Amino acid sequence: SYVLTQPPSVSAAPGKTARITCGTPTIGTTGVHWYQQKPGQAPTLVICLDTERPSGIPERFSGSNSGNTATLTISRVEVGDEADYYCQVWDSRSDHWVFGGGTKLTVL
Amino acid sequence: EVQLVETGGGLIHLGGSRRLSCEVSGFSISNNYMNWVRQAPGKGLEWLSVIYSAGSTFYADSVKGRFTISKDNSKNTLYLQLNDLRADDTAVYYCASVYCTSGSCYIDYWGQGVLVTVSA
Repeated sequence: SYVLTQPPSVSAAPGKTARITCGTPTIGTTGVHWYQQKPGQAPTLVICLDTERPSGIPERFSGSNSGNTATLTISRVEVGDEADYYCQVWDSRSDHWVFGGGTKLTVL
Repeated sequence: EVQLVETGGGLIHLGGSRRLSCEVSGFSISNNYMNWVRQAPGKGLEWLSVIYSAGSTFYADSVKGRFTISKDNSKNTLYLQLNDLRADDTAVYYCASVYCTSGSCYIDYWGQGVLVTVSA
């Protein structure tokens, strides 16, 4: 089964680029999805299927997935992007959903 | 507009039971896969269980044998029966709808969550 590894924290200054990674062997062979969670709120989907943005998500959010690492990239970071971010995959062999441990993005 | 509204949380004694409900509007759960996910205080997201449209179910090892997912298509409501509750089951419980495409599945809608507190 998958174990998804995320850095506990990432920081970026406003206007800069933040990159949040999600790692596991051969993650590049499966679809990766990313959720944003602000304090006291339910998560919301920001990237699905490695690179796709749901309706309403700014173009500043993008994703990539190759080899052993998937990456969520937030360009031109804003104070409002400060949140916890989780990656997720679906393990078709076990019908289990797997989440990474989460990364707290701090906007300095 | 899609809405998922969880109810049934509260304070429960160790070893006790509780049934959580998730009333869905905006789509029919009879045609959808549905998940339960929880989040312990200050911790990350933990997937618990899925029920597929045809009724098959799967569970995380941490809750298998203690929790039971079910649904009532006529009421468009999802349930999670919690039994033999432990202190580490204390969490916010979310119901969520699943979308599958291109060989992968993700959560497209989340409820607002309901807090379950297990205490002696």
